[in-house]
Amino acid sequence: QVQLQESGPGLVKPSQTLSLTCTVSGGSIRSGIYHWNWIRQPAGKGLEWIGCIYSSGSTNYNPSLKSRVTISADTSKNQFSLELSSVTAADTAVYYCAREFQGADWYFDLWGRGTLVTVSS
Amino acid sequence: DIQMTQSPSSLSASVGDRVTITCRASQTISSYLNWYQQKPGKAPKLLIYGASHLQSGVPSRFSGSGSGTDFTLTISSLQPEDFATYYCQQGYSTPLYTFGQGTELEIK
Repeated sequence: QVQLQESGPGLVKPSQTLSLTCTVSGGSIRSGIYHWNWIRQPAGKGLEWIGCIYSSGSTNYNPSLKSRVTISADTSKNQFSLELSSVTAADTAVYYCAREFQGADWYFDLWGRGTLVTVSS
Repeated sequence: DIQMTQSPSSLSASVGDRVTITCRASQTISSYLNWYQQKPGKAPKLLIYGASHLQSGVPSRFSGSGSGTDFTLTISSLQPEDFATYYCQQGYSTPLYTFGQGTELEIK
């Protein structure tokens, strides 16, 4: 049974870089039919797609965040990571990693439990 | 970006009721529309993909329909565990995915 688990600091200072890791267990991030995504949700608000990394290692980012986001993968550890630079209070949110199935349809079929990141001095 | 608009934003209903939530896309997305259920403090859970396909393990009281720009999620007979927030998401403009703002389903 595949599981995703986010980890990283729960508190980040303004202007610093937010760094999170998603560990995938029970399956390989090298599988070609899945993409690996980051999605966030500010408290009481909706879901915002941040970006993804493909099994090839290529990435795609939300244009609204593109200048500040880097997603990378460590296949030896079966992990993928998010870095968001120059954070402000507006980046305070629950951050989810999610697996995206790519077949005839594309959808997020598996999610981590989420981790709350607060940006505050 | 493709904008997704859900209605209503909130809804009160009783156990046993039939409930319909709508989602409208700002441009045609064919049938690339997914529905998720989110309970407080939990991650979203996939219910419906491709507008009408029930995800494995999801009860058959959930159904989806629509294509183009207009879509619906229907719960045929509400159960206590169905009270949650529901989100639609377009999978058309991959990979720039967007979600609706959510519909909060509350107990009447």
